[in-house]
Amino acid sequence: KAGVTQTPRYLIKTRGQQVTLSCSPISGHRSVSWYQQTPGQGLQFLFEYFSETQRNKGNFPGRFSGRQFSNSRSEMNVSTLELGDSALYLCASSLNAPRRGNTEAFFGQGTRLTVV
Amino acid sequence: GDSVTQMEGPVTLSEEAFLTINCTYTATGYPSLFWYVQYPGEGLQLLLKATKADDKGSNKGFEATYRKETTSFHLEKGSVQVSDSAVYFCAPAGGTSYGKLTFGQGTILTVHP
Repeated sequence: KAGVTQTPRYLIKTRGQQVTLSCSPISGHRSVSWYQQTPGQGLQFLFEYFSETQRNKGNFPGRFSGRQFSNSRSEMNVSTLELGDSALYLCASSLNAPRRGNTEAFFGQGTRLTVV
Repeated sequence: GDSVTQMEGPVTLSEEAFLTINCTYTATGYPSLFWYVQYPGEGLQLLLKATKADDKGSNKGFEATYRKETTSFHLEKGSVQVSDSAVYFCAPAGGTSYGKLTFGQGTILTVHP
């Protein structure tokens, strides 16, 4: 069974640009979550999608957005990039069916974004 | 909101030593509890989990018991190997907070031969 696939693995962008990251979850998983990992703040939750609907959102500015497609693949977008957005962005997929609580999440290898 | 307090690192041990990494949490509802491990340059891998009180999760010689009364989920291993060197994260997932894992700051473990 294929794992979680994130593309691209590495990105270098300039301040003010926007970027789109992609995540393909494990087959059969309908929940996709995104996290930002930095040395200073650690792992922080961005948002979670289930069946194309955002169910949960972390405390990030509106420049960070996401979406999920009918095949469960997800994208996150960051507009007007700032130097502080440099981070490892991790995607996780899980079952997390409604009213069943949180099941284990499986993570991709991440996208390393560098803003210069 | 949910929060996690993890034992501060870095932790340095000799091969075959006993490992304990403490983790206490606060979470809404009845959370599931997870330990994840991150090797250099990689994403997070699920190490073990527990979904209800007194459950013991185990994998690759690592164990952790869900202690509801002390809201703890300490990670232990009887004999560490050099290959266990990594960063370890404790993470509750609140029952009412879909898709959200609340991570501790991580504990860096280095094991010397």
